Amino acid sequence: AQTVTQSQPEMSVQEAETVTLSCTYDTSESDYYLFWYKQPPSRQMILVIRQEAYKQQNATENRFSVNFQKAAKSFSLKISDSQLGDAAMYFCAPLMGPGYALNFGKGTSLLVTP
Amino acid sequence: DTEVTQTPKHLVMGMTNKKSLKCEQHMGHRAMYWYKQKAKKPPELMFVYSYEKLSINESVPSRFSPECPNSSLLNLHLHALQPEDSALYLCASSRYRGMNTEAFFGQGTRLTVV
Repeated sequence: AQTVTQSQPEMSVQEAETVTLSCTYDTSESDYYLFWYKQPPSRQMILVIRQEAYKQQNATENRFSVNFQKAAKSFSLKISDSQLGDAAMYFCAPLMGPGYALNFGKGTSLLVTP
Repeated sequence: DTEVTQTPKHLVMGMTNKKSLKCEQHMGHRAMYWYKQKAKKPPELMFVYSYEKLSINESVPSRFSPECPNSSLLNLHLHALQPEDSALYLCASSRYRGMNTEAFFGQGTRLTVV
């Protein structure tokens, strides 16, 4: 069974600052995908960024980037220039066989202060 | 159109009632998912449909009965629920059941069992 660990239940960041959310996972698979989803108070689950495990280059989407360390099974999310709208619950979610369904970590609640 | 539409948005039902949750997408996706999410917890996978066939049932009690009548529609029939079944029920879809595919989520149905 896969395990996903998000060790920070809550994080706080000031507007315009940078914050990093951590995620580690356990798998014996060699090929898989990793996702970060955000869930604001509206409860809508929104894809933030994804990483393909066979790619060494870290994924980037505007202010969001990841630090993917395959050997360490670590997949952290960096948010630069934080904005009030970034406040949400952030879930790390690997996607791998045989089930090919997202397996969510417990989440990190991000608070953004003015 | 990148929307997954869930109806109703809110549902209150008694323990003897029968009700159904509906999920619809018109993106041509052939994999559809039901997740259950309790407050302050991550979504938990319930069912996966692939090409209108049930692929995964995560040992969900029989009082939850999924149905996929066509490639655009996914239902969750509810019968004799318990108060602990109160939760947010999220539907998601993806192009197919595999790794290189993004899951799109609906806004959820907030279910209260009284």
